[in-house]
Formats: sequence, structure tokens, C-alpha cells
Amino acid sequence: GAGVSQTPSNKVTEKGKYVELRCDPISGHTALYWYRQSLGQGPEFLIYFQGTGAADDSGLPNDRFFAVRPEGSVSTLKIQRTERGDSAVYLCASSFNEVVAEQFFGPGTRLTVL
Amino acid sequence: SQQGEEDPQALSIQEGENATMNCSYKTSINNLQWYRQNSGRGLVHLILIRSNEREKHSGRLRVTLDTSKKSSSLLITASRAADTASYFCATATGGGADGLTFGKGTHLIIQP
Repeated sequence: GAGVSQTPSNKVTEKGKYVELRCDPISGHTALYWYRQSLGQGPEFLIYFQGTGAADDSGLPNDRFFAVRPEGSVSTLKIQRTERGDSAVYLCASSFNEVVAEQFFGPGTRLTVL
Repeated sequence: SQQGEEDPQALSIQEGENATMNCSYKTSINNLQWYRQNSGRGLVHLILIRSNEREKHSGRLRVTLDTSKKSSSLLITASRAADTASYFCATATGGGADGLTFGKGTHLIIQP
């Protein structure tokens, strides 16, 4: 089956704009994660969903960042009033359920805020 | 914040040699995982070792874990050009699905 997919692959926006990043997890995976990765750094955890609910959103940097997963499958990461410091690769991952620890990552969305 | 610190930051070896990367972390963990990343995009899971395990093997990979020293090592034997990538350790404090805390990574270059 298909792996984790993310759209768009690249997004360029202007400071102050609103963006939405989409993640399609592996079919049947109930756990979904968002990370962001800056150049030369490891991924930084943002939020984790189990089903439709956010089980841990402690990594969201501030209230400009919000994520949803209304039907327990596709997830959207939303960033309001983007800032240049939000520029990074946003990675999505999924795992089979709340017990299995191995995560499968998508290719990421490269966000550039001008 | 990042918990893990990989060492070295960069490693260049000849094809066929063994590559060893180390990872240190700060807090108690449930498991530690190693991931590979090519070209700065998606990560690939390599191996998971739980806190009650000391060593694990998978093909040409060998991982050790020393919880008393809060450190782990990844050994890649008989390296190949295709092993060129960045390698990250990631720790989880929860028992199952959990947000991972990654280190900064080791960039490995295998010279043909």
C-alpha cells in the first residue's frame, strides 16, 4: 500500500499569511504525528493524534499553530499569521496504533515564509 | 528542545569499513529508535531498542543501549555507498505511540 503522503511538497508564502499543510497517513494507522525540521537540525515534535483527538499537543510553539484530524485519517496543520521563523520542513508520520512505536514518515512539506 | 546528541556530527569513511555513531540523551526513556534520512526529507525507521534491552541486531545494523550512561550506539558494518545519509536517534518516554525527541543527527558519507 501507499506510504504517508503530504501536500504540497513545497509552499512559499508571505509573512502574515495563513497556510494549511495536509497529511494522508498510511491506511489503517490510528496514530498520526507532526514534526518540523529546520536546516541542520533533527525533527522537532509538534503534535500527536490518536484517532480524531490530539493526545499530545505540547510541541506546538504557540497559538498560531493548530492541527485537526476530523475523521481520524487525514490531518491538516494550520499556521496563522506566518512568520519568517516558521520556515522549515514539516514532516508527518503515522504508526499502526497506540501500542506500536515505529513511525512511518512522509516526504515532508518545505514551507518558506518570505 | 532536543534531548539526543549524536556524535560525531559528521563521519566520512571508505566503502566496506564499519561506521559507528553514538547518541546520548538526558531523561529516562521507554525506547530509543534510530532513523535514516536522505536528502533532508522523509525519515526511514531502522531499528528500535527498548529500555530493558542492551543490544539488538538487524542485518548489517547493531544497536547497543546503556541506560546507566544514557547512551546508545549504532554500528553499520561493511558500509556501502547507499548508506550515505543522515542518521538520527530518537527517544520516547511513553510505552507505545509517543511523540519522539530527536537528536541533531550524524551525517555519514561513504566514499567509494
